[in-house]
Amino acid sequence: AQKVTQAQTEISVVEKEDVTLDCVYETRDTTYYLFWYKQPPSGELVFLIRRNSFDEQNEISGRYSWNFQKSTSSFNFTITASQVVDSAVYFCALISGNMLTFGGGTRLMVKP
Amino acid sequence: DTGVSQNPRHKITKRGQNVTFRCDPISEHNRLYWYRQTLGQGPEFLTYFQNEAQLEKSRLLSDRFSAERPKGSFSTLEIQRTEQGDSAMYLCASSLGSGRTNYGYTFGSGTRLTVV
Repeated sequence: AQKVTQAQTEISVVEKEDVTLDCVYETRDTTYYLFWYKQPPSGELVFLIRRNSFDEQNEISGRYSWNFQKSTSSFNFTITASQVVDSAVYFCALISGNMLTFGGGTRLMVKP
Repeated sequence: DTGVSQNPRHKITKRGQNVTFRCDPISEHNRLYWYRQTLGQGPEFLTYFQNEAQLEKSRLLSDRFSAERPKGSFSTLEIQRTEQGDSAMYLCASSLGSGRTNYGYTFGSGTRLTVV
């Protein structure tokens, strides 16, 4: 069985602040993939990043960065200099085999 | 290709009625998935097809739910005798997969069902 936990249900920050969204996962498999998705109010799931279990290099894409630590089973997501447009629900997900397992999501509110 | 397409975007139905949703995956993707997302929760897996074969079904998929993927292209999800608890966003995703490997896992915009 696999499980993804996003302990922060809601985070509120002021524009330009940095914010980190936590994700902890559980799986018995040695090969798996981790994802982050953004879900704006319109409802679609927007793909942000996919990492495989063998690649622990941290990744940076513009204002977004991801910290994958296998030792603590965590895959945290940081937004630097947050903007109002970053307001959304963010989901961490794990796939091992064919099924994506999602965390409960973190609602991020960025205030002007 | 414009990605994964789902129709309708919204559906309001009376309790007890049957509803059917359609998903058109990315054309070269052989795998198709249905998920359900209720308010404030993450999406939950319902079922998965590889080509036309339905290979996995969640326990969430009661016998009132049926999914098909004739000819391995588009898929339909039917809910019979809808209940208020069926109100949710139904998401479709597709991928190109082989064995335990999946590439390009892409979601559609979803169909929001409201049962009144």
